[in-house]
Amino acid sequence: QSVLTQPPSVSGAPGQGVTISCTGGSSNIGANYNVHWYQHLPGTAPKLLISDNHNRPSGVPERFSGSRSGTSASLAITGLQAEDEGFYYCQSYDSRVSGPVFGGGTKLTVL
Amino acid sequence: QVHLQESGPGLVKPSGTLSLTCAVTGDAVISNNWWSWVRQSPGMGLQWIGEVFHGGSMNYQPSLTGRVTISLDRSNGRFSLTLNSVTAADTAVYFCARRPISGAFLDYWGQGVLVTVSS
Repeated sequence: QSVLTQPPSVSGAPGQGVTISCTGGSSNIGANYNVHWYQHLPGTAPKLLISDNHNRPSGVPERFSGSRSGTSASLAITGLQAEDEGFYYCQSYDSRVSGPVFGGGTKLTVL
Repeated sequence: QVHLQESGPGLVKPSGTLSLTCAVTGDAVISNNWWSWVRQSPGMGLQWIGEVFHGGSMNYQPSLTGRVTISLDRSNGRFSLTLNSVTAADTAVYFCARRPISGAFLDYWGQGVLVTVSS
């Protein structure tokens, strides 16, 4: 059971957009800790996609955007491409763990 | 470019010790970063294991405290994970990663290594 809750899967056609939600609680997102997002494609190292709620590291396309509100956060992906297919994880800091906690991951399928 | 690469035995016997190493290139392990381990059990999400800083500080997942040690090898540019008294529940893909001292995110990861606990 992951501390942060994500939908197990989302899907969309090429060119369309999807949103992945991440819900936490009072000891993590609700305590105003930042949310970060990672992309994990098969056979590769996980990649930082969004840091501090909405910042894109260098090289991450503008198609990826993040937001946070209350005890939740969202990752939006527009203009879906076949190479976006993989798993996406949210992460925050949790005061009860005194360290990072993750969501269970969402599998993105590009139809 | 920063690159991390995990290595170690892929099979460990129950009650034994899991030992993994992460080789770091493109950065120094004495830089202003925390060096972390994360794992993913089959069919499960990611779990943070712990981290070490070159100043000697360490932080661990509370549920693993007492069994886990993360250490730095400054002269060889790598860091290690040791997990004692393993059970089947410790079977997972283990990732090493870097956390900047200024942030709570992991900006570089290794590809991961599968460790199976089985007799």
